Amino acid sequence: AQKITQTQPGMFVQEKEAVTLDCTYDTSDPSYGLFWYKQPSSGEMIFLIYQGSYDQQNATEGRYSLNFQKARKSANLVISASQLGDSAMYFCAMREESWGKLQFGAGTQVVVTP
Amino acid sequence: SQTIHQWPATLVQPVGSPLSLECTVEGTSNPNLYWYRQAAGRGLQLLFYSVGIGQISSEVPQNLSASRPQDRQFILSSKKLLLSDSGFYLCAWSRGSNEKLFFGSGTQLSVL
Repeated sequence: AQKITQTQPGMFVQEKEAVTLDCTYDTSDPSYGLFWYKQPSSGEMIFLIYQGSYDQQNATEGRYSLNFQKARKSANLVISASQLGDSAMYFCAMREESWGKLQFGAGTQVVVTP
Repeated sequence: SQTIHQWPATLVQPVGSPLSLECTVEGTSNPNLYWYRQAAGRGLQLLFYSVGIGQISSEVPQNLSASRPQDRQFILSSKKLLLSDSGFYLCAWSRGSNEKLFFGSGTQLSVL
């Protein structure tokens, strides 16, 4: 069964606007971690942000913030003040304590327009 | 600082030929190492992971194998490539099982 679901295959966003990328997950583990990665056209996977299941506050890293809603099992990524360089594929991933390995969603392609 | 090297960047191989992709990590010891495959326009699928020299776990049955001859070296191999082996292969490392992954730059493999 799909553990990580990203329902938006692609999005256009205007420069300087904020964009929210959806991610829902499925686990029965009480302990898990949620990750977001960015993959530009070069192919490299770049770590953006991490949220632990026991973290009380939403994670933030510069222009990236994670809207963590544990009861709804969602971990949406918010990119504020989009830049042209933000155009990339974005992947949500989860690591369950019982399994220990990172599982990825299908990704969302973001295109930032001037 | 830690770095991960993966090569080659692109590779075109005929069906039935062997494969060897290499990945090395610098600046850390005893890393967890991973091989992922990404089909075009899709997410990443974990192929192999290793927590130590000679310790390899396979996640999906396939035509590929992995080896870890040295602490910071991870090799992905095949004796005979299939068309379905085409894809983008990413090597990654982490300090521990619960740590974030750092990825290499990837290898685009085309089997013709």
